[in-house]
Amino acid sequence: ETGVTQSPTHLIKTRGQQVTLRCSSQSGHNTVSWYQQALGQGPQFIFQYYREEENGRGNFPPRFSGLQFPNYSSELNVNALELDDSALYLCASSLAAGTFEVQYFGPGTRLTVT
Amino acid sequence: KQEVTQIPAALSVPEGENLVLNCSFTDSAIYNLQWFRQDPGKGLTSLLLIQSSQREQTSGRLNASLDKSSGRSTLYIAASQPGDSATYLCAVRSDDYKLSFGAGTTVTVRA
Repeated sequence: ETGVTQSPTHLIKTRGQQVTLRCSSQSGHNTVSWYQQALGQGPQFIFQYYREEENGRGNFPPRFSGLQFPNYSSELNVNALELDDSALYLCASSLAAGTFEVQYFGPGTRLTVT
Repeated sequence: KQEVTQIPAALSVPEGENLVLNCSFTDSAIYNLQWFRQDPGKGLTSLLLIQSSQREQTSGRLNASLDKSSGRSTLYIAASQPGDSATYLCAVRSDDYKLSFGAGTTVTVRA
């Protein structure tokens, strides 16, 4: 059974550009959540996808968007990048979207916006 | 809105000493609480998960307690080792989909 994987590991973008981050969920998991972790802070919830539909959203602007594919892998897209978007982006998958489901985290993608 | 606080922000102890990490949350209506370990620049490793009906969980040298009514959890690490040096994050599940995290306690164990 493979764990949660994310790509790329690191990337550097310029302010105003767009970026796509990718996540492959753990085998058998149909729910993916995305978090943003700024330096020195705890992760902040961006949104969750369950069976290809957005299931919940945190306090992030619409330029943060996502997709989930039929194989339950997921993408996080960020448009019009700002310097404050520099952070570690974490993806977590779970077996289902229920409240008692454990979320398993990937290693993260480090995004630097210059 | 659920707020999670972890005190202290940083902790440095000599090897062999026991560690006590604190987590508090404002809304006691939680489903579960989870402790994670994070090494610098890395993802999160789950250490212990306590369901709301439980009072504590143990795994090896780690023990976590939960007092839901007072909004507190404590992570104990016995006989600390240099390999325990990391940031420890507390997260609570209080709605259908997201975890609410504290900012973490950064632990340094001196050899």
